[in-house]
Parts: sequence; C-alpha cells; structure tokens
Amino acid sequence: GAVVSQHPSRVICKSGTSVKIECRSLDFQATTMFWYRQFPKQSLMLMATSNEGSKATYEQGVEKDKFLINHASLTLSTLTVTSAHPEDSSFYICSARYTDTQYFGPGTRLTVL
Amino acid sequence: AQSVTQLGSHVSVSEGALVLLRCNYSSSVPPYLFWYVQYPNQGLQLLLKYTSAATLVKGINGFEAEFKKSETSFHLTKPSAHMSDAAEYFCAVTMKTSYDKVIFGPGTSLSVIP
Repeated sequence: GAVVSQHPSRVICKSGTSVKIECRSLDFQATTMFWYRQFPKQSLMLMATSNEGSKATYEQGVEKDKFLINHASLTLSTLTVTSAHPEDSSFYICSARYTDTQYFGPGTRLTVL
Repeated sequence: AQSVTQLGSHVSVSEGALVLLRCNYSSSVPPYLFWYVQYPNQGLQLLLKYTSAATLVKGINGFEAEFKKSETSFHLTKPSAHMSDAAEYFCAVTMKTSYDKVIFGPGTSLSVIP
C-alpha cells in the first residue's frame, strides 16, 4: 500500500517551454502532497506543500510563478515549470502523506536544453 | 528547531559485513524518525520508521534501527551487507504535532565491496 506514481520519469525540453509533472497517490487519498528538488549528491530540498483545494505553500526562495502547483483532487498534484531554463534542470520528487508518513514518487529528471 | 545529522557522507563495507549508518537528531518534542533508501535515479523508499512504540524497529530488506533517547540517535544497522544494499540512505525526523514538516539529513552513500 501507499504507492505514489510520478509522470513523466524523464523529460527533455527546450529553454523557454513549460513542463508539467504529475504526482498521483494510487491507493490512498492525500490531502497533502509535497514537491522536492534534489541536486546531484545532495539531500532533498522542499519546494512547496500542496494542499487539495487550496493554494500551495512555497518555501522561502522558491518562485511561485515559476513553479506552479495545482492539487485539484485527492489523488493528483501537478507541478508546472514555466518558461524553463537550463538552471531548472534537476531531479524533482513528489511525496504524499498517508497518516504520519510521507511516501515518495519515483522522481522526474528534467533536462532543459 | 529540529535537525538531523548523519555521520559519514560515505560508508564502505565488504559484502557480508555489518552495516552501520549513523543518525543523530535534535528535537524539542518527541520525534518520529524515518530511514529512507534511494537507488540511483529513483525516488525514496521507506525502510522503517519509529513512532513512539517499540524502540527497536525492524524494516524491510533486513534493516533495523534503534531509537535511543538518551543519545538522541537512530542508527540503522544490517547484520550482513548485500551488493544490492548499495544506495543513498537518508534519515529524517518529524513531529507528531506536525507531520508535514519533515527534516532530512544530508544522506549517507553506502558502497558494498565484493
């Protein structure tokens, strides 16, 4: 139980385009989902907390107009990287909270050319 | 404020040897503690968690961890390392009053030498 999926697993795009990443909780409902960014050889950096039916809460230093988050249902949250640039290239991981534990998706590798 | 430290950013063990990954935490309230494993280019997988029940917690893949309040530690162990254990391991802490705030340690990369 407590499975989280993420799509796509890998995306390559041109600079200036927008990319949408989906995070789904497959076997439970998640009122709260989280988006992390991970740089090579580093720990996870929380970007934002996504709450179903309300606005996301962004961590300090994260541009909310750059990283749009939508949590329209209890099983789906999306992260849209708008006008992506090479510095946005990274590994993005989502998680969903089930009771007292966060369960993670497999991650999305974004490469911006 | 909560924090997590993991002593040793990289640990190497021989196949069949004991695995010991260290985690110390700081928390002003009783914590919930977690160990996650991350394989290359993958998300994090929950290994085990401590949520104020038994102090010795058994997880998947033969791993276990012991919560020691006096030492503010939650070290991860496995009696016999397997090649497939090579991965990045993260210790994390949260509070039962605020499950949404999870603090991750910097991670420990485990290498297993054949």
